[in-house]
Amino acid sequence: AQRVTQPEKLLSVFKGAPVELKCNYSYSGSPELFWYVQYSRQRLQLLLRHISRESIKGFTADLNKGETSFHLKKPFAQEEDSAMYYCAPNAGNNRKLIWGLGTSLAVNP
Amino acid sequence: EPEVTQTPSHQVTQMGQEVILRCVPISNHLYFYWYRQILGQKVEFLVSFYNNEISEKSEIFDDQFSVERPDGSNFTLKIRSTKLEDSAMYFCASTERQGGLAGELFFGEGSRLTVL
Repeated sequence: AQRVTQPEKLLSVFKGAPVELKCNYSYSGSPELFWYVQYSRQRLQLLLRHISRESIKGFTADLNKGETSFHLKKPFAQEEDSAMYYCAPNAGNNRKLIWGLGTSLAVNP
Repeated sequence: EPEVTQTPSHQVTQMGQEVILRCVPISNHLYFYWYRQILGQKVEFLVSFYNNEISEKSEIFDDQFSVERPDGSNFTLKIRSTKLEDSAMYFCASTERQGGLAGELFFGEGSRLTVL
């Protein structure tokens, strides 16, 4: 079955500490993978997608096909990174994105 | 910068009543979606819409739900007879990409539905 697992509901770190938000997926084929973010009182928005191999706001995410993971990482967390983060693989060409439960990141001063 | 807009931001209704949630997608986008998020739970796909018809729907999207694009601008979600368990935040999204891979989804701010 297609499934996305974000094991941490809440992750709390101090400013300047490294942060890793975990995402594992169970999906056949070659998914396109996304991280979406929702800052307080703002709409859901795309943070990054693996296919573009970009770094957004200092975040990167590497697709590990062997471990079927797409963990989101940032070497030095900032307070403004506090938000809800969702891992979302694409379920093929039907445009039905299957979402993880989300991880709430709290960056403390 | 163009945005997806949703109205109302919050609606309270009695069980059994009909509700229509409205969305104005970004004007050059071709694919439209509704998602919902029950409080404390994950974002769930409801339905996708392309070329004036439903292209995909989830098990949640039963006969009580319908979508339409009545005027080429609005994209509406109708719940015919609301149930308590329909209480959730409903998100509209749109994307412009065609082809086999989903493009970036642009979301509205959501409509919170409370069914009493």
